[in-house]
Amino acid sequence: NAGVIQTPRHKVTGKGQEATLWCEPISGHSAVFWYRQTIVQGLEFLTYFRNQAPIDDSGMPKERFSAQMPNQSHSTLKIQSTQPQDSAVYLCASSLRDWGVEQYFGPGTRLTVL
Amino acid sequence: TQTVSQSDAHVTVFEGDSVELRCNYSYGGSIYLSWYIQHHGHGLQFLLKYYSGNPVVQGVNGFEAEFSKSDSSFHLRKASVHWSDSAVYFCAVSPTNSAGNKLTFGIGTRVLVRP
Repeated sequence: NAGVIQTPRHKVTGKGQEATLWCEPISGHSAVFWYRQTIVQGLEFLTYFRNQAPIDDSGMPKERFSAQMPNQSHSTLKIQSTQPQDSAVYLCASSLRDWGVEQYFGPGTRLTVL
Repeated sequence: TQTVSQSDAHVTVFEGDSVELRCNYSYGGSIYLSWYIQHHGHGLQFLLKYYSGNPVVQGVNGFEAEFSKSDSSFHLRKASVHWSDSAVYFCAVSPTNSAGNKLTFGIGTRVLVRP
C-alpha cells in the first residue's frame, strides 16, 4: 500500500499561469478530500468527493479553483490564473468511508506562485 | 460553525518527559474529535479519535487523549516522549451530522523533544 500519492511534490508557476495538482487516493477508499495549508491560515478544507461525486466544495474559492475526480484512482485540483496568495501546500486525503474521521493524507504539493 | 483552539503554539520537552497538548473546541452539536501529527515535510498522520464511550482513548505510539464535555476539551498526552515525537500536532473536529467528515483543524502545536 503506497498510501496517498500526490504529484508533483513541488510546483512553481508564474502569476497568471495555470496549475494542476494530482492526487491518487488509497485503493478502495470512497472519500477524497482536498485541504490547503499555509502559515497564516493553517489547514483549510477545500472540497470533498464521495465515490467520485462532488459532495461539498464549500471551502473552494469561487473563482479560479476547480476540482474533479474522473475515476476512482485519481482526483485533480486545478487553479487557473494563479496568484501569489495561492502559494500553499495542497494536501489530499482519502478515507475508507466518508463518515470516517480517520483520513490518510498524502505528502502534499507545495505550490509557489512567483 | 465549529472552532478549535490549541493554546500552546510551541512546547519543548526532554526525551523521557511526559507531555500534554491542549485542545478546546466549540460546537453546539455532536462531533468527532481527533488528533493528527505532521512531521516536517510530510502529510498528516492520524493518531486517535473520539466519538462516544470511554472518555480516554488510546492511539498509536503511546499517545492517549481525554475528552471532557464540561471543559469542551480533548487534550493529548504521552507519558514518555521520544525524539521522534518532535512534530506538529493538530487537533481536529468534525460534526457528525455533516454530509461528510471534513475536518476543522486547530493551528497546531509544535513539539520539540530535546535529548
